Amino acid sequence: EPEVTQTPSHQVTQMGQEVILRCVPISNHLYFYWYRQILGQKVEFLVSFYNNEISEKSEIFDDQFSVERPDGSNFTLKIRSTKLEDSAMYFCASRGPGEQIEAFFGQGTRLTVV
Amino acid sequence: AQSVTQPDIHITVSEGASLELRCNYSYGATPYLFWYVQSPGQGLQLLLKYFSGDTLVQGIKGFEAEFKRSQSSFNLRKPSVHWSDAAEYFCAVGALRGNEKLTFGTGTRLTIIP
Repeated sequence: EPEVTQTPSHQVTQMGQEVILRCVPISNHLYFYWYRQILGQKVEFLVSFYNNEISEKSEIFDDQFSVERPDGSNFTLKIRSTKLEDSAMYFCASRGPGEQIEAFFGQGTRLTVV
Repeated sequence: AQSVTQPDIHITVSEGASLELRCNYSYGATPYLFWYVQSPGQGLQLLLKYFSGDTLVQGIKGFEAEFKRSQSSFNLRKPSVHWSDAAEYFCAVGALRGNEKLTFGTGTRLTIIP
């Protein structure tokens, strides 16, 4: 069964460093998303991406964040200068075209900023 | 703005007992509703979805949910829980027309006792 894959599963980084979280969405999907979940809290929307551009972004998704689909298969989230409060589980999701309404989520990348 | 309320933060049930997890939503149009399950350290797995038709929907692992428009509710049920059902359960709403995002509730942690 097709699945969304995310790498790495866990990343530890020092405050102020740049990190790139990687995702490979399901191959025929058109809509891509990043969500995050701070430990013990709910899953929050960060950004949606369609047709090679951002469709919507939340207040969390400030200038320190960027997304890219560099090669037609990967979908990346970059945090330019990490802060302690960026520590969270980051989920990538993708959705197919038309009537395929459900979003499929990856297993997540746990980012720890120290 | 869309929102989801899961009033029960933590529920404990005995193995073999019935289960109902509550979810109330606020959405300006016809909602698409989802239940996701998250086992410890894992990603989000879709249990079931509703977008039209029969208001009682069946999902995986023996779960079902009933959409009640008059009550703005989408409660999740299972007639007999198993120890493996212990997890965090998230209700989510979204139109998923175009590239719309999902809005999640805060989750209900389910504990199963022998």
